[in-house]
Amino acid sequence: DGGITQSPKYLFRKEGQNVTLSCEQNLNHDAMYWYRQDPGQGLRLIYYSQIVNDFQKGDIAEGYSVSREKKESFPLTVTSAQKNPTAFYLCASSIVGKAGGPYEQYFGPGTRLTVT
Amino acid sequence: AQSVTQLGSHVSVSEGALVLLRCNYSSSVPPYLFWYVQYPNQGLQLLLKYTTGATLVKGINGFEAEFKKSETSFHLTKPSAHMSDAAEYFCAVSGGGSYIPTFGRGTSLIVHP
Repeated sequence: DGGITQSPKYLFRKEGQNVTLSCEQNLNHDAMYWYRQDPGQGLRLIYYSQIVNDFQKGDIAEGYSVSREKKESFPLTVTSAQKNPTAFYLCASSIVGKAGGPYEQYFGPGTRLTVT
Repeated sequence: AQSVTQLGSHVSVSEGALVLLRCNYSSSVPPYLFWYVQYPNQGLQLLLKYTTGATLVKGINGFEAEFKKSETSFHLTKPSAHMSDAAEYFCAVSGGGSYIPTFGRGTSLIVHP
C-alpha cells in the first residue's frame, strides 16, 4: 500500500537534546512538508521541499532543521534551540504541478513529541 | 496572499442533525479549495476538493461542499450527523502558481447522542 509513515508515534526527550523525527513516503511525490500542530492553532508550516537536496523554510522554521537526500525521505530535527518543542508533528507529501495545483496533500499519522 | 477563516472553533450537533461547517477564503486568483478531516491523534485525510467546474462537490462519508465565488465561501455540509463524524475539520486554499496550501485553524465537530 502506498502512503506516508512517521516514526515513532510518541517521543519523549529531555530539554536540551536534539531529536529527529522520521518521515518516509512511497507515493513517488516530489514535494514533502513538515507541519506543527498545537491546540487551537491549526497547522503551521515548518519546512517544505520540492526536490531532492533542496528545501525552504516555512512560517516557523527557527529551531528546526531538515534534509532531503532521497525523494522518499524528509527527516525533521528538532534542535535544542526550539523554545517550545512539545507538539504534534505532521509530515505530508504531494504532487507538484506546473500551475501549482490542484493537488491535495497526503498526511502521515503524526508524531507526538513531549519535551520535559 | 491567501487566507482561510473557519467560523467557530467548535460546532456541536445532535446525532441525525444537519452538519454545517463554515469556511471563507481570500484569494486574488481562482482558488483550489479543500476540506480535510482529522480524527484524534491521527493525520489529516482529504474529504473533498474543488478545482474547476461544478460548484457542488461531493466527498467521502456523505459530506459535500459548495463553492460560492460571490461569497468567497466553501462551506461543508452533511444532511445527518453520525457519532463517527466527531473530528477536527480543516479548510484549505491553494492556487495562483503556489502549491503550498493555506489552512484554516480548524473546527472541532462534536456529535451528541
